[in-house]
Amino acid sequence: LQLQESGPGLVKPAETLSLTCTVSGGSISSGTYYWGWIRQPPGKGLEWLGSIYYSGSTYYNPSLKGRLTISVDTSKNQFSLHLSSVTAADTAVYYCVKDTGIRYFDYWGQGSLVTVSS
Amino acid sequence: EIVLTQSPASLSLSPGERATLSCRASQSVSSSLAWYQQKPGQAPRLLIYDASSRATGIPARFSGSGSGTDFTLTISSLEPEDFAVYFCQHRYNWPLTFGGGTKVEIK
Repeated sequence: LQLQESGPGLVKPAETLSLTCTVSGGSISSGTYYWGWIRQPPGKGLEWLGSIYYSGSTYYNPSLKGRLTISVDTSKNQFSLHLSSVTAADTAVYYCVKDTGIRYFDYWGQGSLVTVSS
Repeated sequence: EIVLTQSPASLSLSPGERATLSCRASQSVSSSLAWYQQKPGQAPRLLIYDASSRATGIPARFSGSGSGTDFTLTISSLEPEDFAVYFCQHRYNWPLTFGGGTKVEIK
Protein backbone atom coordinates (compact mmCIF):
# COMPACT_ATOMS: atom_id res chain seq x y z
CA LEU A 1 0.00 0.00 0.00
CA GLN A 2 1.28 3.47 -0.89
CA LEU A 3 -0.04 6.94 -0.19
CA GLN A 4 1.05 10.02 -2.12
CA GLU A 5 0.16 13.64 -1.35
CA SER A 6 -0.18 16.20 -4.12
CA GLY A 7 -0.99 19.89 -4.23
CA PRO A 8 0.52 23.38 -4.20
CA GLY A 9 3.59 24.00 -2.09
CA LEU A 10 2.78 27.68 -1.59
CA VAL A 11 -0.51 29.20 -0.50
CA LYS A 12 -1.29 32.85 0.20
CA PRO A 13 -2.65 33.97 3.58
CA ALA A 14 -6.46 33.90 3.85
CA GLU A 15 -6.73 31.45 0.94
CA THR A 16 -7.63 27.74 1.03
CA LEU A 17 -5.01 25.03 1.24
CA SER A 18 -5.99 21.96 -0.75
CA LEU A 19 -4.18 18.63 -0.88
CA THR A 20 -5.09 15.28 -2.38
CA CYS A 21 -3.90 11.86 -1.27
CA THR A 22 -3.83 9.10 -3.87
CA VAL A 23 -3.89 5.56 -2.51
CA SER A 24 -2.31 2.77 -4.56
CA GLY A 25 -1.89 -0.93 -3.90
CA GLY A 26 -5.23 -1.21 -2.16
CA SER A 27 -8.78 0.07 -2.25
CA ILE A 28 -9.84 3.00 -0.10
CA SER A 29 -13.25 1.31 0.18
CA SER A 30 -12.02 -1.98 1.62
CA GLY A 31 -11.70 -2.83 5.25
CA THR A 32 -12.79 -0.89 8.30
CA TYR A 33 -10.15 1.77 8.02
CA TYR A 34 -10.32 5.50 8.35
CA TRP A 35 -8.00 7.68 6.24
CA GLY A 36 -6.62 10.87 7.64
CA TRP A 37 -4.36 13.89 7.63
CA ILE A 38 -1.62 14.78 10.09
CA ARG A 39 0.65 17.82 9.92
CA GLN A 40 4.01 18.77 11.35
CA PRO A 41 5.29 22.37 11.43
CA PRO A 42 9.02 22.57 10.65
CA GLY A 43 11.03 21.33 13.61
CA LYS A 44 7.93 20.68 15.72
CA GLY A 45 5.59 17.87 16.73
CA LEU A 46 2.66 16.10 15.09
CA GLU A 47 -0.93 17.28 14.97
CA TRP A 48 -3.83 15.06 13.90
CA LEU A 49 -6.18 17.11 11.70
CA GLY A 50 -9.00 14.76 10.82
CA SER A 51 -10.07 11.38 9.49
CA ILE A 52 -12.62 10.10 6.98
CA TYR A 53 -14.25 6.73 6.26
CA TYR A 54 -14.94 5.73 2.67
CA SER A 55 -18.65 6.31 3.30
CA GLY A 56 -17.90 9.96 4.06
CA SER A 57 -18.12 9.85 7.86
CA THR A 58 -15.62 12.31 9.33
CA TYR A 59 -13.91 13.33 12.54
CA TYR A 60 -12.13 16.68 12.80
CA ASN A 61 -9.78 18.26 15.30
CA PRO A 62 -11.78 21.06 16.98
CA SER A 63 -8.58 23.15 17.20
CA LEU A 64 -9.08 23.95 13.52
CA LYS A 65 -12.31 25.76 14.39
CA GLY A 66 -14.36 24.64 11.43
CA ARG A 67 -11.78 25.56 8.78
CA LEU A 68 -11.18 21.95 7.73
CA THR A 69 -13.08 19.77 5.28
CA ILE A 70 -11.99 16.26 4.31
CA SER A 71 -13.64 14.51 1.39
CA VAL A 72 -13.27 11.15 -0.34
CA ASP A 73 -13.55 10.08 -3.98
CA THR A 74 -13.74 6.29 -4.05
CA SER A 75 -13.84 6.19 -7.86
CA LYS A 76 -10.35 7.73 -7.95
CA ASN A 77 -9.13 6.03 -4.77
CA GLN A 78 -8.35 9.46 -3.33
CA PHE A 79 -9.19 11.62 -0.35
CA SER A 80 -8.64 15.34 0.01
CA LEU A 81 -8.04 18.06 2.57
CA HIS A 82 -9.29 21.63 2.30
CA LEU A 83 -8.17 24.10 4.99
CA SER A 84 -9.62 27.58 4.65
CA SER A 85 -8.46 31.01 5.85
CA VAL A 86 -4.86 29.90 6.25
CA THR A 87 -2.19 31.85 8.12
CA ALA A 88 1.55 31.39 8.56
CA ALA A 89 0.75 29.07 11.48
CA ASP A 90 -0.58 26.54 8.96
CA THR A 91 2.85 26.18 7.36
CA ALA A 92 3.78 22.53 7.82
CA VAL A 93 4.52 19.19 6.25
CA TYR A 94 1.14 17.56 5.64
CA TYR A 95 0.97 13.77 5.75
CA CYS A 96 -1.87 11.61 4.55
CA VAL A 97 -2.24 8.44 6.58
CA LYS A 98 -4.11 5.16 6.84
CA ASP A 99 -5.70 4.22 10.13
CA THR A 100 -5.02 0.68 11.41
CA GLY A 101 -8.72 0.32 12.15
CA ILE A 102 -8.26 1.26 15.79
CA ARG A 103 -7.11 4.89 15.33
CA TYR A 104 -3.39 4.36 15.04
CA PHE A 105 -1.55 5.07 11.80
CA ASP A 106 0.37 2.34 9.98
CA TYR A 107 0.84 3.80 6.50
CA TRP A 108 2.01 7.34 5.81
CA GLY A 109 2.61 9.36 2.68
CA GLN A 110 6.03 10.91 2.20
CA GLY A 111 4.68 14.29 3.28
CA SER A 112 4.03 17.52 1.41
CA LEU A 113 5.51 20.80 2.61
CA VAL A 114 3.02 23.64 2.33
CA THR A 115 4.20 27.17 3.03
CA VAL A 116 1.74 29.97 3.71
CA SER A 117 3.22 33.23 2.51
CA SER A 118 2.35 36.17 0.32
CA GLU B 1 -8.44 17.18 24.81
CA ILE B 2 -5.94 14.75 26.33
CA VAL B 3 -2.45 16.22 26.63
CA LEU B 4 0.51 13.85 26.31
CA THR B 5 3.77 14.99 27.91
CA GLN B 6 6.96 13.23 26.89
CA SER B 7 10.18 13.21 28.88
CA PRO B 8 12.98 13.80 28.59
CA ALA B 9 12.92 16.13 25.58
CA SER B 10 16.25 14.67 24.54
CA LEU B 11 18.42 11.76 25.55
CA SER B 12 22.11 11.35 24.76
CA LEU B 13 23.23 7.72 24.72
CA SER B 14 25.80 5.43 23.12
CA PRO B 15 25.09 2.46 20.85
CA GLY B 16 24.44 -0.64 22.95
CA GLU B 17 22.95 1.33 25.82
CA ARG B 18 19.37 1.06 27.06
CA ALA B 19 16.94 3.89 26.32
CA THR B 20 13.92 4.59 28.48
CA LEU B 21 11.39 7.13 27.20
CA SER B 22 8.34 8.33 29.11
CA CYS B 23 4.89 9.53 28.04
CA ARG B 24 2.39 10.83 30.58
CA ALA B 25 -1.28 11.50 29.79
CA SER B 26 -3.35 14.27 31.39
CA GLN B 27 -6.09 11.71 32.09
CA SER B 28 -6.35 7.95 31.85
CA VAL B 29 -6.17 6.53 28.32
CA SER B 30 -6.37 2.91 29.51
CA SER B 31 -3.93 1.03 27.22
CA SER B 32 -4.81 3.12 24.15
CA LEU B 33 -1.34 4.44 23.39
CA ALA B 34 1.08 4.06 20.50
CA TRP B 35 4.71 4.94 19.89
CA TYR B 36 6.22 6.14 16.61
CA GLN B 37 9.78 6.64 15.42
CA GLN B 38 10.70 9.46 13.04
CA LYS B 39 14.03 9.92 11.30
CA PRO B 40 15.04 13.20 9.62
CA GLY B 41 13.19 13.80 6.36
CA GLN B 42 11.00 10.74 6.82
CA ALA B 43 7.44 10.08 7.88
CA PRO B 44 6.89 8.54 11.29
CA ARG B 45 6.78 4.76 11.62
CA LEU B 46 4.46 2.89 13.97
CA LEU B 47 6.46 0.89 16.54
CA ILE B 48 4.11 -0.03 19.37
CA TYR B 49 0.32 0.05 19.66
CA ASP B 50 -2.07 -0.53 22.56
CA ALA B 51 0.83 0.25 24.92
CA SER B 52 2.76 -2.98 24.48
CA SER B 53 2.07 -4.67 21.13
CA ARG B 54 4.82 -4.42 18.54
CA ALA B 55 3.76 -3.43 15.04
CA THR B 56 4.59 -5.64 12.08
CA GLY B 57 8.33 -5.94 11.45
CA ILE B 58 9.44 -4.08 14.58
CA PRO B 59 12.50 -5.64 16.27
CA ALA B 60 12.14 -7.20 19.71
CA ARG B 61 14.54 -4.66 21.25
CA PHE B 62 11.62 -2.21 21.22
CA SER B 63 9.12 -2.74 24.02
CA GLY B 64 6.30 -0.73 25.51
CA SER B 65 4.67 -0.81 28.90
CA GLY B 66 2.20 1.09 31.05
CA SER B 67 -1.47 1.83 31.36
CA GLY B 68 -3.68 4.61 32.65
CA THR B 69 -1.57 7.77 32.56
CA ASP B 70 2.05 6.55 32.56
CA PHE B 71 3.75 4.79 29.68
CA THR B 72 7.29 3.78 28.80
CA LEU B 73 9.06 2.90 25.57
CA THR B 74 12.24 0.92 26.13
CA ILE B 75 14.93 0.21 23.57
CA SER B 76 16.97 -2.55 25.17
CA SER B 77 20.21 -2.02 23.27
CA LEU B 78 20.49 0.94 20.91
CA GLU B 79 21.47 0.23 17.33
CA PRO B 80 22.88 3.03 15.14
CA GLU B 81 19.58 3.21 13.21
CA ASP B 82 17.60 3.83 16.42
CA PHE B 83 18.83 7.40 16.87
CA ALA B 84 15.72 9.36 15.98
CA VAL B 85 12.75 11.22 17.46
CA TYR B 86 10.02 9.23 19.20
CA PHE B 87 6.41 10.32 19.60
CA CYS B 88 3.55 8.86 21.61
CA GLN B 89 -0.11 9.09 20.50
CA HIS B 90 -3.37 8.16 22.23
CA ARG B 91 -6.53 6.81 20.61
CA TYR B 92 -8.74 6.92 23.71
CA ASN B 93 -11.12 9.57 22.35
CA TRP B 94 -11.36 12.39 19.81
CA PRO B 95 -9.33 14.41 19.14
CA LEU B 96 -6.36 12.11 18.76
CA THR B 97 -3.24 13.80 20.10
CA PHE B 98 0.51 13.28 20.07
CA GLY B 99 3.20 13.99 22.61
CA GLY B 100 5.89 16.57 21.88
CA GLY B 101 8.56 13.98 21.18
CA THR B 102 11.84 12.72 22.64
CA LYS B 103 14.99 12.97 20.57
CA VAL B 104 17.46 10.13 21.11
CA GLU B 105 20.90 11.38 20.15
CA ILE B 106 24.27 9.71 19.82
CA LYS B 107 26.57 10.49 22.75
